[in-house]
Amino acid sequence: AQSVTQLGSHVSVSEGALVLLRCNYSSSVPPYLFWYVQYPNQGLQLLLKYTSAATLVKGINGFEAEFKKSETSFHLTKPSAHMSDAAEYFCALGSGNTGKLIFGQGTTLQVKP
Amino acid sequence: DGGITQSPKYLFRKEGQNVTLSCEQNLNHDAMYWYRQDPGQGLRLIYYSQIVNDFQKGDIAEGYSVSREKKESFPLTVTSAQKNPTAFYLCASRDGNTEAFFGQGTRLTVV
Repeated sequence: AQSVTQLGSHVSVSEGALVLLRCNYSSSVPPYLFWYVQYPNQGLQLLLKYTSAATLVKGINGFEAEFKKSETSFHLTKPSAHMSDAAEYFCALGSGNTGKLIFGQGTTLQVKP
Repeated sequence: DGGITQSPKYLFRKEGQNVTLSCEQNLNHDAMYWYRQDPGQGLRLIYYSQIVNDFQKGDIAEGYSVSREKKESFPLTVTSAQKNPTAFYLCASRDGNTEAFFGQGTRLTVV
């Protein structure tokens, strides 16, 4: 079965510190992986995506993620947190054959001044 | 501008009442999705459709129904059988294995 696990429902960092949000997946077929951000009472906005090209993927707002097949991981990082990064972040797995898009539980990022 | 439009933004339902949430897209995407979002539970898939006149149940389809008569539209009906419908509902569309595009959501409250 396909699944996505985000480790840590809440992550708190200081402004300027490294952001690391963890995502592990399970898939029997080559995965398509995505990171989304959600601000309160809004829809989801795509940060970046992995679609079997480069394993290091760069996204918007300075975020990047590295696909590691051996670890079944797709962790999201940003070198220096900004107050505007405070939001909820979702990792998602797309299945090529079923069309399903499966989401993790989400991680709320808090950025302290 | 291309995108997904959900309406209404806020919806109130009385006990025992059916309500329908609208989702329209002009991205020419084949696949459309409905998710339910509750605090601390992420996004749970209710129904999805990969093509017109066809749809599949997701993980929490009980108490919900959908139709896909047109490529652009994928309305969700929350029936009286759904005992706990208060939640934030998100609609999305997708083309093949690309990313999904989301609407701004509908917040449904039972009164």
